[in-house]
Amino acid sequence: DAKTTQPPSMDCAEGRAANLPCNHSTISGNEYVYWYRQIHSQGPQYIIHGLKNNETNEMASLIITEDRKSSTLILPHATLRDTAVYYCIVRVAYNTDKLIFGTGTRLQVFP
Amino acid sequence: DVKVTQSSRYLVKRTGEKVFLECVQDMDHENMFWYRQDPGLGLRLIYFSYDVKMKEKGDIPEGYSVSREKKERFSLILESASTNQTSMYLCASSFRTASGANVLTFGAGSRLTVL
Repeated sequence: DAKTTQPPSMDCAEGRAANLPCNHSTISGNEYVYWYRQIHSQGPQYIIHGLKNNETNEMASLIITEDRKSSTLILPHATLRDTAVYYCIVRVAYNTDKLIFGTGTRLQVFP
Repeated sequence: DVKVTQSSRYLVKRTGEKVFLECVQDMDHENMFWYRQDPGLGLRLIYFSYDVKMKEKGDIPEGYSVSREKKERFSLILESASTNQTSMYLCASSFRTASGANVLTFGAGSRLTVL
């Protein structure tokens, strides 16, 4: 599976968009990009995933570059409750289903 | 919503004790996982199971075993607990979308302290 690189921490003002980057320069054509987050003392929560196209759901948007070597998770209007560690994971479709989590990006949303 | 329920939120055990961590999911998912989480190390996969009575080692299986006798239940066993197994343990189950993506749902976690 392709390795991912994320900044260890980021800050964002409440109400502003939070843009969390992820680098996956060795991604292959059949690997999905997944995003999860973990709020303090809770289990990780699935946010969104994508293959080639940009994706949007009620939680966030995922922008994948045309060459697929990087992606950005966008929280359009960050709230204090979005303070969490965000994990970007790359995994081959239809393979064994385990996901490998790195250390993620700690997002701090401030008032 | 899928629910993944871990039997104990907090446990305190003594060195050498046998420890069972139970996990139950209610959505008929094929796959189940046990991770542990330690500060600075992220989530590390211990074992996973893709079917009843099937199991696969993850990245750090030493000192652990698992049991999956029923589809909805996946148990993690510490045969003889040691202090370096003090950690947060996270259970997850997953389904695969029609396009092959894999989405995990996690439980709330079980924080184990071994004295």
